[in-house]
Amino acid sequence: DAKTTQPPSMDCAEGRAANLPCNHSTISGNEYVYWYRQIHSQGPQYIIHGLKNNETNEMASLIITEDRKSSTLILPHATLRDTAVYYCIVRVVPHDDKIIFGKGTRLHILP
Amino acid sequence: DTAVSQTPKYLVTQMGNDKSIKCEQNLGHDTMYWYKQDSKKFLKIMFSYNNKELIINETVPNRFSPKSPDKAHLNLHINSLELGDSAVYFCASSQDGGPNTEAFFGQGTRLTVV
Repeated sequence: DAKTTQPPSMDCAEGRAANLPCNHSTISGNEYVYWYRQIHSQGPQYIIHGLKNNETNEMASLIITEDRKSSTLILPHATLRDTAVYYCIVRVVPHDDKIIFGKGTRLHILP
Repeated sequence: DTAVSQTPKYLVTQMGNDKSIKCEQNLGHDTMYWYKQDSKKFLKIMFSYNNKELIINETVPNRFSPKSPDKAHLNLHINSLELGDSAVYFCASSQDGGPNTEAFFGQGTRLTVV
């Protein structure tokens, strides 16, 4: 079972920052937070991951609270191509050999 | 170059038939996976292989038999296909060790059993 909770859907205006929340209140010390997304009819795509520090890459930023019980994925300037289902996943690395997907958040970018 | 490639992309077949889906990754990864995404869009892991050895079998019916001839390939053979097997099947791979083990997914195979 997925160990994360996400809102089922969100809207964001094109050009604005999209902030996607994730609750992982039972996360343990050796579990990382990963984000993937699935654009319609495509395979899931890795976005970013982190342990406890905030992370940024060319796609997004990941903000993890100090107690690590929740996190936020930020897409700084959302475009229509960012419309997708976004999955927040906790995973033990390197010992965890599977990625458990929950229901994710369906993000709609509005023109 | 496609990192994880699956063939075929679409597969329509009759109940009771046997079919295979092929998956190849050119990333040099040690671990490969099969996932099933049903009509409700839930992505569920089916199998995980590490260096050609089965690591995870998530209570999948034994009509499904993964085969890994080498660590770059993980094929999925399905016997006696049933209507409920209709879904999109995704292959993925990742590299073991360390925290930077992002998984790369193929584009999926849409299986329709009629």
